[in-house]
Amino acid sequence: DTAVSQTPKYLVTQMGNDKSIKCEQNLGHDTMYWYKQDSKKFLKIMFSYNNKELIINETVPNRFSPKSPDKAHLNLHINSLELGDSAVYFCASSQGSRTDTQYFGPGTRLTVL
Amino acid sequence: DQQVKQNSPSLSVQEGRISILNCDYTNSMFDYFLWYKKYPAEGPTFLISISSIKDKNEDGRFTVFLNKSAKHLSLHIVPSQPGDSAVYFCAASSGGFQKLVFGTGTRLLVSP
Repeated sequence: DTAVSQTPKYLVTQMGNDKSIKCEQNLGHDTMYWYKQDSKKFLKIMFSYNNKELIINETVPNRFSPKSPDKAHLNLHINSLELGDSAVYFCASSQGSRTDTQYFGPGTRLTVL
Repeated sequence: DQQVKQNSPSLSVQEGRISILNCDYTNSMFDYFLWYKKYPAEGPTFLISISSIKDKNEDGRFTVFLNKSAKHLSLHIVPSQPGDSAVYFCAASSGGFQKLVFGTGTRLLVSP
C-alpha cells in the first residue's frame, strides 16, 4: 500500500488554465506539506497543514491555494498557470513534531506550455 | 538566499569504498539536520538525522557528522554499494514546526 500518493503523476497544460493536484496519506499523520522542486532541483516548502489548519505558508503567489478537506488529504489548486509554475510538486506527511520523519509522495511533474 | 548548500553536484565512488557527502548551512538557528535520498521518479526518502546536541549519529553503513562551529555536516557511507546511487539531499530545520530547508542535492554514483 502506498503511504503517500499523488494524482496525477504528470500534468501538461496551457498557460492561464486552472489545475489541481491531489494528495492522500494513509499513515494516520496529523501534518501534511507541499514542496516545489524547480528546474534547478531546489526543493522548497510551500505550505503545511496540521489537523486541517494552515501552519506554514511560504512566500507563494496567491494563485496557489491548498485545501485540506480532512487530515488524510491535502490538495493544491493553482489558478492562472504560468510558465514558471512548471516544476515537480511533492506532497509529504509526518506526525508533526519537530523530529518526526516526513514521508514524501512520488511527485507530480507539472509542465505549463 | 540559500541557507543550506551542497557545493558538490555529483560524486563518483567505487563499490566498497567510502562516500562522503558534504553540506554547509548559514542559519545558526538550525538545530536539526537530516539527509534524504532520492531515486529518479520517486519522492525523497528519509535516511538519517542528527540533533544539534550531538556531533555524530550512526545507522548501519550511514554516519552523519555535525560540526556546529563550522556550520557543516557530512554523510559517510561505508562501504558504498551500487544501490546507493541516488541524489542525496541535506535538510535543516529550526523552531517549533518541521519546516525543512533543503540543499540542492548531490548525485552519488557508485560503480561496481
